[in-house]
Amino acid sequence: QKEVEQNSGPLSVPEGAIASLNCTYSDRGSQSFFWYRQYSGKSPELIMSIYSNGDKEDGRFTAQLNKASQYVSLLIRDSQPSDSATYLCAVKPTSGTYKYIFGTGTRLKVLA
Amino acid sequence: GAVVSQHPSRVICKSGTSVKIECRSLDFQATTMFWYRQFPKQSLMLMATSNEGSKATYEQGVEKDKFLINHASLTLSTLTVTSAHPEDSSFYICSARAGGTSPNIQYFGAGTRLSVL
Repeated sequence: QKEVEQNSGPLSVPEGAIASLNCTYSDRGSQSFFWYRQYSGKSPELIMSIYSNGDKEDGRFTAQLNKASQYVSLLIRDSQPSDSATYLCAVKPTSGTYKYIFGTGTRLKVLA
Repeated sequence: GAVVSQHPSRVICKSGTSVKIECRSLDFQATTMFWYRQFPKQSLMLMATSNEGSKATYEQGVEKDKFLINHASLTLSTLTVTSAHPEDSSFYICSARAGGTSPNIQYFGAGTRLSVL
């Protein structure tokens, strides 16, 4: 059974701090990794995609991928109350389909 | 990013009626679309994968005769909840896979909140 695991949280950080969200996956051959943000009552919104080992930065967001450790993370710098949401990690496994395996999500609370 | 439009955003219906939900990719062709269901405070659950011009592939435990999926064109997929009952009340979300240089990215519609009375 291919799995993606996240700590459900809530992860509480003060405004202006760095929020670190983590995700591990079981399918060693996975090639595509995604972070989505989901506000309460809304649908997921793509934040970052990452395909290669290392860091990928986009504004206040940095995704980090370590395929050897089967670990992907998302850092949010200068966290704002508006960042408070559930962050979903998604992995496309090596099977022939295009469907994702989603983690259960980490709820982030940024305290003003 | 690519835009996926989903309608209606909210449906309230009586038990026993059927409800159709539309999912459109507005600025790209979506060879594959996905339908998810999400209950309160739970994660997304994939219901089915829909490929244009072919039958949908349903996940284990999802009744294909109850959740009818049609993907007649590269920009439109529909989900029909037949003979809806209160236990079908949920948040239904579609996504579409964009091809090209980012073939694995799924873009989500805004979701449809279904309430069956």
